[in-house]
Amino acid sequence: SQTIHQWPATLVQPVGSPLSLECTVEGTSNPNLYWYRQAAGRGLQLLFYSVGIGQISSEVPQNLSASRPQDRQFILSSKKLLLSDSGFYLCAWLFRGLPNSPLHFGNGTRLTVT
Amino acid sequence: KQEVTQIPAALSVPEGENLVLNCSFTDSAIYNLQWFRQDPGKGLTSLLLIQSSQREQTSGRLNASLDKSSGRSTLYIAASQPGDSATYLCAALGGSEKLVFGKGTKLTVNP
Repeated sequence: SQTIHQWPATLVQPVGSPLSLECTVEGTSNPNLYWYRQAAGRGLQLLFYSVGIGQISSEVPQNLSASRPQDRQFILSSKKLLLSDSGFYLCAWLFRGLPNSPLHFGNGTRLTVT
Repeated sequence: KQEVTQIPAALSVPEGENLVLNCSFTDSAIYNLQWFRQDPGKGLTSLLLIQSSQREQTSGRLNASLDKSSGRSTLYIAASQPGDSATYLCAALGGSEKLVFGKGTKLTVNP
């Protein structure tokens, strides 16, 4: 069976500090990978998605970036955090080429920028 | 650009009541419509997925319907229980394989 791991679960960082959130998927190959952010009172916003190693699509302009160094690893980064980066970050995966399969989410990372 | 709207934003019902959550989407060119459940501070759990060629899907006390022509989906919960309390989100998957989410309906089932 497939599992998705996301860490850390919670993170408190000062403004201007760097960020690295990691997500890994087990039990499948060549998944589509996604980073979403959920801010208080707002819906889920798609930040990045990837259909393969080194292939990253950005949905919104921001000071965040994403990388996919390995097939089942997806990393969200920032060089300098802003207060507005606070939120709940969720990683998700989908069987590539099988759009009629459900999207699977990790447990999320609660980021507070102080 | 796909937009997904959920009404109501919050709903409070007594235990045992049947209820309907609504979801509308602007672009009918979708692969599927998915319903998720989110407990406080947690990730999302997939409940039901309706393919664009289907009209409804059922799982236990949950039934989801899809009307592509009108851009609507409903999630019906029968005989609600306190354990059903959570936020329910719907999402539409388009040709780019990106899921667009609504803001959710927060459901509270009172014992």
